[in-house]
Amino acid sequence: GAVVSQHPSWVICKSGTSVKIECRSLDFQATTMFWYRQFPKQSLMLMATSNEGSKATYEQGVEKDKFLINHASLTLSTLTVTSAHPEDSSFYICSASRERGYGYTFGSGTRLTVV
Amino acid sequence: AQTVTQSQPEMSVQEAETVTLSCTYDTSESDYYLFWYKQPPSRQMILVIRQEAYKQQNATENRFSVNFQKAAKSFSLKISDSQLGDAAMYFCAYRDQGAQKLVFGQGTRLTINP
Repeated sequence: GAVVSQHPSWVICKSGTSVKIECRSLDFQATTMFWYRQFPKQSLMLMATSNEGSKATYEQGVEKDKFLINHASLTLSTLTVTSAHPEDSSFYICSASRERGYGYTFGSGTRLTVV
Repeated sequence: AQTVTQSQPEMSVQEAETVTLSCTYDTSESDYYLFWYKQPPSRQMILVIRQEAYKQQNATENRFSVNFQKAAKSFSLKISDSQLGDAAMYFCAYRDQGAQKLVFGQGTRLTINP
């Protein structure tokens, strides 16, 4: 149990366009989902925390107008990278919490390349 | 703010031997959770083991066990009988009992030598 599906696994987009990444909890309800960014050979950097039905909480330094997060249901959160630029190229990972203290289940990640 | 430190960027071990990965953390809280996650080349994050701070007994999951020293704020991971499939990045993570987000360490890259 506790599976999180993330799509797409990789995407290439042109500079200036927007791209949406989906994160779904398949077999549990996730009241809270998290979005991370990971640069090569580095740790995960939390971008934002999204709670179902409310606005996401962004970490300091993360542009909320560039990285739009929507958590419209208990099983789906989306991250939209707007007006993408090459510096937005990275590996993005979502995770979901089933209940406090239980731990977090991670999606398989999305490799975004902006050309 | 809480911080997690993994002082070993890279570790290597011979197959079938035992290796210990270090993790220290800084917090003023008394109730919290600690985790070890594995990230293999596929980059899928996998929960290896977790520990509740209020439990004195060290958590164990098959070949994986932890040495939780609350006073020293230390949470090391021991991998016994290392297997080639254990090769991965290992991240130590912390979470306050009342908080939502995880705080990750820098990671340790583990190589298994056949």
